[in-house]
Amino acid sequence: AQTVTQSQPEMSVQEAETVTLSCTYDTSESDYYLFWYKQPPSRQMILVIRQEAYKQQNATENRFSVNFQKAAKSFSLKISDSQLGDAAMYFCAYRRSGANSKLTFGKGITLSVRP
Amino acid sequence: EAGVAQSPRYKIIEKRQSVAFWCNPISGHATLYWYQQILGQGPKLLIQFQNNGVVDDSQLPKDRFSAERLKGVDSTLKIQPAKLEDSAVYLCASSSSAGLSYEQYFGPGTRLTVT
Repeated sequence: AQTVTQSQPEMSVQEAETVTLSCTYDTSESDYYLFWYKQPPSRQMILVIRQEAYKQQNATENRFSVNFQKAAKSFSLKISDSQLGDAAMYFCAYRRSGANSKLTFGKGITLSVRP
Repeated sequence: EAGVAQSPRYKIIEKRQSVAFWCNPISGHATLYWYQQILGQGPKLLIQFQNNGVVDDSQLPKDRFSAERLKGVDSTLKIQPAKLEDSAVYLCASSSSAGLSYEQYFGPGTRLTVT
């Protein structure tokens, strides 16, 4: 069974600084997708960034980038130039390739941003 | 494009009572998911529909939970009777079969409190 581990329950970053959120996963599959989702307080979950396992290049979306280490089964999220609006819970999620496969989430990490 | 709609947003019931949640996915999305998110944890898939058929309900407590998607569009999740441990946010998500990653779009969730 696939598992996703986020070992840091909380992190804090100064506004405008850079922070990295860690995630590891376990799978026997070779073709899969990894995601980072953001869930602000009392608001809906939105996709931050997606990485296809077959791509060696790390995904980037504006201030968000990932460090995908397939052999180590590690998938960290880097947030550059942190903003107050980045404060939220962040979930790492895994999904194997295929139309009907489910998302498996980690426990999440609470990120606070200090002004 | 309208997002995933859910109602109600909040519900408070006493244990042993019944409750139902409603979800309307993004138009044209064939796949619909119900997740349970207990406070401080990541979402856990309860049931997944492809059109009006069940793809995965392995983690649905079938003695008390039921779900249907009769016309392959909107869906209802029911709990009968509710227990204290059912207190959680119930998230609905939908995805299209178009695109390789089958990205899931989440609704705002229904926060259930069982007293």
